[in-house]
Amino acid sequence: GESVGLHLPTLSVQEGDNSIINCAYSNSASDYFIWYKQESGKGPQFIIDIRSNMDKRQGQRVTVLLNKTVKHLSLQIAATQPGDSAVYFCAESWSGNQFYFGTGTSLTVIP
Amino acid sequence: GAGVSQSPSNKVTEKGKDVELRCDPISGHTALYWYRQSLGQGLEFLIYFQGNSAPDKSGLPSDRFSAERTGGSVSTLTIQRTQQEDSAVYLCASSLVYSGVEQYFGPGTRLTVT
Repeated sequence: GESVGLHLPTLSVQEGDNSIINCAYSNSASDYFIWYKQESGKGPQFIIDIRSNMDKRQGQRVTVLLNKTVKHLSLQIAATQPGDSAVYFCAESWSGNQFYFGTGTSLTVIP
Repeated sequence: GAGVSQSPSNKVTEKGKDVELRCDPISGHTALYWYRQSLGQGLEFLIYFQGNSAPDKSGLPSDRFSAERTGGSVSTLTIQRTQQEDSAVYLCASSLVYSGVEQYFGPGTRLTVT
């Protein structure tokens, strides 16, 4: 998983397996969270978001889980595909403030 | 345009020179952000603009960095007297409002200071 200030963590998974990417966020007052995907040479791309009044949200092949007790966020990718290979960032924000991004996790999907 | 655009995509400059990086946000987006991303690192917030309000410059690393946003649309990030440590990818993002919604990112400008 990722945490602010550490070197880029890496995760390798077999194609078709599920991936879980973790993020420890910093501010217990954060009320909005986003997962971004960044492919090489491109800007970050929105994947899914969640607000602090929820603990789970599902999208297409992705699920975000929020545990406010331990300030932990995770992104689950079902049936991981080669096109999912990228760096994944979590970002947090709280009312009236800008977004703060984690260091990112590099996901490699092995065909 | 369909998304956020940035120019140039790549910029190589000599140490001590000034550079200007441009961002065209999505039409109608009132909030605009600049970030810096060093190799293998996360995004470092630099500055944001929200409508006609005074920009939040709290992330600018030194007084060599400045940014403006003309007419509530296009933004220019200027780095004066560039240093080698300024080498990074500079990303611009825009959003419909300031907080609580996703940001849409441009492809970035890769700046290399030699």
